[in-house]
Parts: sequence; C-alpha cells; structure tokens
Amino acid sequence: GENVEQHPSTLSVQEGDSAVIKCTYSDSASNYFPWYKQELGKGPQLIIDIRSNVGEKKDQRIAVTLNKTAKHFSLHITETQPEDSAVYFCAASNRGGADGLTFGKGTHLIIQP
Amino acid sequence: ETGVTQTPRHLVMGMTNKKSLKCEQHLGHNAMYWYKQSAKKPLELMFVYNFKEQTENNSVPSRFSPECPNSSHLFLHLHTLQPEDSALYLCASSQLGQGALDGYTFGSGTRLTVV
Repeated sequence: GENVEQHPSTLSVQEGDSAVIKCTYSDSASNYFPWYKQELGKGPQLIIDIRSNVGEKKDQRIAVTLNKTAKHFSLHITETQPEDSAVYFCAASNRGGADGLTFGKGTHLIIQP
Repeated sequence: ETGVTQTPRHLVMGMTNKKSLKCEQHLGHNAMYWYKQSAKKPLELMFVYNFKEQTENNSVPSRFSPECPNSSHLFLHLHTLQPEDSALYLCASSQLGQGALDGYTFGSGTRLTVV
C-alpha cells in the first residue's frame, strides 16, 4: 500500500517569513495530493490540492509543487501570519481517492511574532 | 460548521460498555470515511463507504463495527474497547465522480477515552 513520509515534524518561523513542508510517497500510481490544516479542537480542513497532471498550483499565499519522477510534493506558505500556526498534513491517493487517503504524520507549524 | 457533524464531541466509556459514534453530512456527498487520530501517528483509515457500500476495512478489530444506513449518515458502533483505543475519531465525506477526488470534508471529531 501507499506510504507517505512528511518532514519536518515541527517547524518554527518568524512572522513574515516563508515556510516549506515536504512529503514523499511510495506508490507511483498515486495521482491526488491534498494538504490539510488542523487547528486545535477541530478536524482537518482542506487548504489546497494538486493532481498528477500539473506540477504546481498556487492560491494566494499558499502553493504546492509536485515532482512525480522523484515522488515528492511540497507545501509553500509565504508571508506567514500568526493564524497560520497549526498542524499541517499531506496526503496521497490513487483511484480517485476511492480507497481513501493515506496521510503523513503532520507538521506542527509555529509562527513566532 | 463544516457540513459534517459528529456527535458526541467527547465520550468516556468503560471497557465493558457499548456506545455509538454518529456522523451526518449535509453536503450531498456519496462517500464517507472513518479515521482514527492518535498522538504522534498519522491519521489511520478505518472504513470507507462509497455509495453506501463498504469498500475498505483496514484490518480494524471487530470491536469496531461501522454502519451506513444512507449516504448522509455513518455510525461507528463500539463494544469491549481497550485503553489503546482512546483517540480522536474523525468522520469525513467526499464526492466521488468521474476521475479524481474533490477532497474530503472532515467533522470536528469525537474525543474517545476508554477507562
């Protein structure tokens, strides 16, 4: 089955700086890669996703890149703000997600004022 | 409110109790999922229901029993649990159509403590 590795487990950055979280996956058939943000006491919330037919996608301060050859994808957050502090999860799936998503262990992002 | 509602939010139960977790989605989705979230571990997929049919059971112990009476409701029946089953149980829904997935919508979870 699919295996997703996520690094780092904790990331502390100064407010206004950029943050990068990286994930690798094992199943070359995976074709859907979402990122989720989880705040304390809440369920994970989808913030951006990318499909295997594109290499990069951007939504305001958030961008995701995908390298299918190397089987890795990354989340980039620019101009970080205090409200970006949360746990971020990457995930991967194939068959259109019909078998469910496989998640990474999560990255605790801390924005220092 | 995310469109996926889970009840109860918190549950404490003894190892000999029987209880049920409930999930309801108001998004018109056709797939629902149960995930287990434990400290310092990835979210673990437990069960998948596509169009009300269970399609995935990731070697989950029989003390967890899912039920999906319709495409809007999902239950997780619990009996004779162990302390290591204490975790946050998350329900999610999605719309599966032609081609790729359109992301999950998660509920806020049920924090389960087994004593």
